[in-house]
Amino acid sequence: GIQVEQSPPDLILQEGANSTLRCNFSDSVNNLQWFHQNPWGQLINLFYIPSGTKQNGRLSATTVATERYSLLYISSSQTTDSGVYFCAVGRNAGNMLTFGGGTRLMVKP
Amino acid sequence: DAMVIQNPRYQVTQFGKPVTLSCSQTLNHNVMYWYQQKSSQAPKLLFHYYDKDFNNEADTPDNFQSRRPNTSFCFLDIRSPGLGDAAMYLCATSRDLSGSNGYTFGSGTRLTVV
Repeated sequence: GIQVEQSPPDLILQEGANSTLRCNFSDSVNNLQWFHQNPWGQLINLFYIPSGTKQNGRLSATTVATERYSLLYISSSQTTDSGVYFCAVGRNAGNMLTFGGGTRLMVKP
Repeated sequence: DAMVIQNPRYQVTQFGKPVTLSCSQTLNHNVMYWYQQKSSQAPKLLFHYYDKDFNNEADTPDNFQSRRPNTSFCFLDIRSPGLGDAAMYLCATSRDLSGSNGYTFGSGTRLTVV
């Protein structure tokens, strides 16, 4: 099956700092989503982005499908950004998502 | 607000005693998914329903079953829970199989097996 690798695995930031999270995948995909899992376990969909660039407030994401990677940018980080960020991809007809291992982010005040 | 609701939030069950987790949605989405997430790991798909069509992942143990009696509800049945089944169970929905509207997850049920 498709392999999804995220980096870095752990990240500690001071509030107000910017960061870039990376997702590499091993095959062509037609579905790619970024999620944030908060400390209580709730998974929130951030972006559906199989290609191109999208922005939502302080977050933006870029997927370069031909080079099989996606980036999530967090600007002016806040303590509420803490949690685990997952990239998930799908490539088969049913588009079932395979999750990467996640990046655990801690934003310190 | 339209949402995905999972009950209960926390479930404790005895080793070997059948347990059922429930998920309901008000989004009228066609697809419902069950994921298992163990501590510090990524969510792992167990199965999904597209409307009434059930699709089991190849490596999902037979101990796990699911029912979808109508569009709004989906249940996860664990016939004989073992200690290794302790995990967070996440229900998700999407409008269709393309997932282009994104997945909507419930808050999860954390299962403890004693």
